[in-house]
Amino acid sequence: DTAVSQTPKYLVTQMGNDKSIKCEQNLGHDTMYWYKQDSKKFLKIMFSYNNKELIINETVPNRFSPKSPDKAHLNLHINSLELGDSAVYFCASSQVSGLGSYNEQFFGPGTRLTVL
Amino acid sequence: AQTVTQSQPEMSVQEAETVTLSCTYDTSESNYYLFWYKQPPSRQMILVIRQEAYKQQNATENRFSVNFQKAAKSFSLKISDSQLGDTAMYFCAFMIEMNYGGSQGNLIFGKGTKLSVKP
Repeated sequence: DTAVSQTPKYLVTQMGNDKSIKCEQNLGHDTMYWYKQDSKKFLKIMFSYNNKELIINETVPNRFSPKSPDKAHLNLHINSLELGDSAVYFCASSQVSGLGSYNEQFFGPGTRLTVL
Repeated sequence: AQTVTQSQPEMSVQEAETVTLSCTYDTSESNYYLFWYKQPPSRQMILVIRQEAYKQQNATENRFSVNFQKAAKSFSLKISDSQLGDTAMYFCAFMIEMNYGGSQGNLIFGKGTKLSVKP
């Protein structure tokens, strides 16, 4: 009964490939996020998304695109992978609006992406 | 733009002792939240404690407490009776109150403090 899950946990791939990371939350939250943690452990928001709005961090290359098939999923697609994309990617979710909204974000276990 | 600064890249403490991790932030917003997250070697991000900016009382959670100084924009974490399981990276984070300025609750993190608890 994991709250926020990500697959895969580890991903090793070659430069130039296209890959996806899946994220699912079973908390009924209305907003999901993707964060990137670099080799120095610095965490930075990439996207936030609810059923109304996608907010993109302006520093994120357009090779990265979030796709949400439904409210419980927010997948991350990465095209033309580069060496600098190697990092740990975290998915998170929270309830932003309406009854029961609060400010805690629940994080997935992270996906370590290694680009060779 | 909001920034979060953690000035201590690494700290160590003896088991059972008390340690304080520092965090300062910069914002022009008046409605926001502050958090401390723990990231053990397992990589999982775990919320340790949360503080609403409008509350004057400092938050506490068992052995964890904060010293929130709004005017100074300071938000330190005190860990009492340190345990080996407290060994982790600790991240201070800031979030604008949701529904202000189009925020959807994005967390802005500091660079983290690596805490080692020694037996």
